[in-house]
Amino acid sequence: DAGVTQSPTHLIKTRGQQVTLRCSPKSGHDTVSWYQQALGQGPQFIFQYYEEEERQRGNFPDRFSGHQFPNYSSELNVNALLLGDSALYLCASRKDPGGGGHGYTFGSGTRLTVV
Amino acid sequence: DAKTTQPPSMDCAEGRAANLPCNHSTISGNEYVYWYRQIHSQGPQYIIHGLKNNETNEMASLIITEDRKSSTLILPHATLRDTAVYYCIVCNSGNTPLVFGKGTRLSVIA
Repeated sequence: DAGVTQSPTHLIKTRGQQVTLRCSPKSGHDTVSWYQQALGQGPQFIFQYYEEEERQRGNFPDRFSGHQFPNYSSELNVNALLLGDSALYLCASRKDPGGGGHGYTFGSGTRLTVV
Repeated sequence: DAKTTQPPSMDCAEGRAANLPCNHSTISGNEYVYWYRQIHSQGPQYIIHGLKNNETNEMASLIITEDRKSSTLILPHATLRDTAVYYCIVCNSGNTPLVFGKGTRLSVIA
């Protein structure tokens, strides 16, 4: 049973460019959340998608946008990249309505480096 | 912001019990305590959660104080593979997203 799959695993982009990160949720899961994790910090919530709609959003600028497809997979897009966007981007999925803080399965993340 | 406070780091000898404390003095009546851990180069992994009673599963035990203002995660026989960052999270039963703090970096030493 495949868990959460993220691609690519590593990525290097230049300041000002745009990037798209991809996530395939665990089989049977329909809700996808994205997190940003800077070095030495805990993951920070970006947004959550359910039924192809953004359901909740954290304190991130509009440069961060996302999409969920009918097969529940998801994309995270970041425009006008800044050096500070360098981080590990994590995708987490679960079956809704899961409720609470359990039931989340995380991927291993995409390491984005902005130069 | 995270509603929990954890020590930044701890060491534990292999085979001994690891006791990781967490303070959550502003926890609400409908909020659970969750523990996740993150092994290097991996995403966080769910360990255990509880509301007010102590809980045990195959990975760990969770002890919650009677006033619910603090808790302790216990790994009964720590192994080198338990070296990770451990996050204590307070969360209600709805769709509130997980809010991570900096966690406790546990180093299990041979």
